[in-house]
Amino acid sequence: QSVLTQPPSVSGAPGQRVTISCTGTSSNIGPGYDVHWYQQIAGAAPKLLIYGDGNRPSGVPVRFSGSKSGTSASLAITGLQAEDEADYFCQSYDSTVNAWVFGGGTKLTVL
Amino acid sequence: QVTLRESGPALVKPTQTLTLTCDFSGFSLNTRGMSMSWVRQPPGKALEWLAFISWEDDTYYASSLKTRLTISKDTSKNHVVLTMSNVSRADTGTYYCARSLARSFDWNYGMDVWGQGITVTVSS
Repeated sequence: QSVLTQPPSVSGAPGQRVTISCTGTSSNIGPGYDVHWYQQIAGAAPKLLIYGDGNRPSGVPVRFSGSKSGTSASLAITGLQAEDEADYFCQSYDSTVNAWVFGGGTKLTVL
Repeated sequence: QVTLRESGPALVKPTQTLTLTCDFSGFSLNTRGMSMSWVRQPPGKALEWLAFISWEDDTYYASSLKTRLTISKDTSKNHVVLTMSNVSRADTGTYYCARSLARSFDWNYGMDVWGQGITVTVSS
């Protein structure tokens, strides 16, 4: 059972917009601790996609955006492309366990 | 160019101690704000953060594994080592090392560079 809750799967057609939610609690996302998002394509290592809630590292397309409100965060992908098919994980800090925590991951299928 | 590479045994027996090494290049762990973590992923499952070490040798561990883990660094050799004692089949998975820039453990910029990972199987 992951500390951060994500939907197991989402899907969308090419060109569409999808969002992936990451729900936390008052000990992680709620107090304002940063949320980061990672993309993991099958068989590869994770890649940092969004850091500090909504910042994109150099090289990440503007199609990817992150936001946060209250105890939840979201990753949005617009103009969906076949290459976006991957697993996506959110991550934050949790003050109760004094540890970094991940969400359970969301599998994105591009129809 | 920043690179990380994990190494260690592919197969360990239950109750043994697992030692993994992460060799890195392109940056120094003596630089203020630099830190390294270990993350693992059981087959078909989610990522799990394991341990963190900062440029000034602060260490943090996943609470469920704290008694079994030790993370250390050797800046002269540019590597970070993770040891996990008393392994069991539940420790089977791919282990990654990852770099992060962190003002502090609770205020960081995500893990921006990852190694390719090393797959470890625990079996007798």
